Amino acid sequence: DIQMTQSPSSLSASVGDRVTITCQASQDISNSLNWYQQKPGKAPKLLIYDASTLETGVPSRFSGSGSGTDFTCTISSLQPEDVATYYCQQFDNVPTWTFGQGTKVEIK
Amino acid sequence: EVQLVESGGGLVQPGGSLRLSCAASGIIVSRNYMSWVRQAPGKGLEWVSVIYPGGSTFYADSVKGRFTISRDNSENTLSLQMNSLRVDDTAMYYCARELAGHFDLWGRGSLVTVSS
Repeated sequence: DIQMTQSPSSLSASVGDRVTITCQASQDISNSLNWYQQKPGKAPKLLIYDASTLETGVPSRFSGSGSGTDFTCTISSLQPEDVATYYCQQFDNVPTWTFGQGTKVEIK
Repeated sequence: EVQLVESGGGLVQPGGSLRLSCAASGIIVSRNYMSWVRQAPGKGLEWVSVIYPGGSTFYADSVKGRFTISRDNSENTLSLQMNSLRVDDTAMYYCARELAGHFDLWGRGSLVTVSS
């Protein structure tokens, strides 16, 4: 099974800060990596798919990069509405999908 | 409006059964790859099961042999029959559409609590 490891598990940053979340796969998954945002009490929302493609309607301050085993999700200028938990998810070995353990983002 | 609405959750004793449903509007369930994804309280996301347009079904090892995914084409609904429930099956269960590897459409979830 492919394991996904996110870091950090939580972070606190100021409004306007650049925030980077990393996700590491236990084996090469090419660009088969998606990112989701989940706000408290809500369903997850797709942010980025295929490692770097922004889902329609997602603000341009979000971006994704990486391939192989190492990936990043970046918020270029943190906003109060970005407070959420972020998850990466691999789809290299469908029909099994695996999520990272999540990164909780808070405002300092 | 395109949406998925789950129902059927509740409190059940260990060893019991429960059936979740997901009513779809704006999409045709039988033409899509439909999954169930769960989230234990305070924990991360775990994919549970998928049904393909052709009818093939797949399960996570943690639920294989206990859960059954199905769909009703006439009602445009997705279901998850859960048997032999365990305490660690306690979670919010989401139905979601899978599109080229990513889950682009999610319901609001249905809470299943397994406790004596």
